[in-house]
Amino acid sequence: GAGVSQSPSNKVTEKGKDVELRCDPISGHTALYWYRQSLGQGLEFLIYFQGNSAPDKSGLPSDRFSAERTGGSVSTLTIQRTQQEDSAVYLCASSLDSTGVTEAFFGQGTRLTVV
Amino acid sequence: AQTVTQSQPEMSVQEAETVTLSCTYDTSENNYYLFWYKQPPSRQMILVIRQEAYKQQNATENRFSVNFQKAAKSFSLKISDSQLGDTAMYFCALTGANSKLTFGKGITLSVRP
Repeated sequence: GAGVSQSPSNKVTEKGKDVELRCDPISGHTALYWYRQSLGQGLEFLIYFQGNSAPDKSGLPSDRFSAERTGGSVSTLTIQRTQQEDSAVYLCASSLDSTGVTEAFFGQGTRLTVV
Repeated sequence: AQTVTQSQPEMSVQEAETVTLSCTYDTSENNYYLFWYKQPPSRQMILVIRQEAYKQQNATENRFSVNFQKAAKSFSLKISDSQLGDTAMYFCALTGANSKLTFGKGITLSVRP
């Protein structure tokens, strides 16, 4: 596709359930980021994939959060046993590389609501 | 570790006026890039302008320009002739060859008609 695609755009789930959020980066982009944004707040870094390197998971808030990137393309962020504080917009971004020479392109995010 | 600080949570400007958004940063890298992103109510993050640290000349994109002070680690965004469509959250960001893309907390800019 032309841009970064995220699905679903909105997700309402019950507390305690698991959710999977999907990100399709721009084809050929080796760097992929996940961020979390609470209402009206800044971007909280979650995880970063760069090519075949081990991902930087330093931003994952708890072991309930995990992410994978299959074949260097699509990424899935999984939140297990969701809690109300997990409610936020989850943004995915990709860039051609991680050096900063090219910009990061963002998807429109998934708004997660835990009830 | 690198940090990006935006200390102003919100600002307001009259349409057609000029406004400056502040950002300071810290990094141990010599080669890095700085960005300003805009996030309108639609939630879509859009790149406004970028600056290579090795370039002394300040970047300019139409009504948007930066004041890059490398020694002071300051990277402010100036919006000239503000328009209603400039109303959004603005994020300052930093990345380097050996570091991930790091964002500040953002500033909410309101343009008044």
